Amino acid sequence: GENVEQHPSTLSVQEGDSAVIKCTYSDSASNYFPWYKQELGKGPQLIIDIRSNVGEKKDQRIAVTLNKTAKHFSLHITETQPEDSAVYFCAASNPAGGTSYGKLTFGQGTILTVHP
Amino acid sequence: GAVVSQHPSWVICKSGTSVKIECRSLDFQATTMFWYRQFPKQSLMLMATSNEGSKATYEQGVEKDKFLINHASLTLSTLTVTSAHPEDSSFYICSAETASFYDEQYFGPGTRLTVT
Repeated sequence: GENVEQHPSTLSVQEGDSAVIKCTYSDSASNYFPWYKQELGKGPQLIIDIRSNVGEKKDQRIAVTLNKTAKHFSLHITETQPEDSAVYFCAASNPAGGTSYGKLTFGQGTILTVHP
Repeated sequence: GAVVSQHPSWVICKSGTSVKIECRSLDFQATTMFWYRQFPKQSLMLMATSNEGSKATYEQGVEKDKFLINHASLTLSTLTVTSAHPEDSSFYICSAETASFYDEQYFGPGTRLTVT
């Protein structure tokens, strides 16, 4: 099955700096890569996603890049703010043949702390 | 749009009793819903996939007789933890897949279960 590795496990930055979180996946059939932000005691919130036919996607201060050859994708947050502090999870979807859904396999998570 | 609710948000029950958790997609129809379990400071682990009108598909190692899943409509799925024990204490999170993109999942706020 799919295996997703996420690094680093913790990341501490100063407000205004950039933050980068990286993930690698094992199954070349995976074609959907979402990123989730989870605040303490809450469910994950989808913040950005990318599909395998695109190499980069940007939404304001957040961007995701995908390298299918190397099987890795990254989350980039620019001009970080204290409210960006949370746990971030990457995931990969490995759609089973013939089904109408894709199961997500999650990375281990990154605790991002943005210091004012 | 794409809002998912869960009820209750937290529950405390005695060992041996059963607990039901509801997951609803509020503004869209979800043919597929997923149930996850998350231990403190850990990632999300998929427990089962629930399709409307059919039996749930459980991940390896998840006891289907202990974690009963019912997906009665396109907007409601329920997870019942039967004969709960302290080791079942965890954060249970559901997600729902939108019909527009078959692998795009939106998560509920989670349910904190504590078994005493």
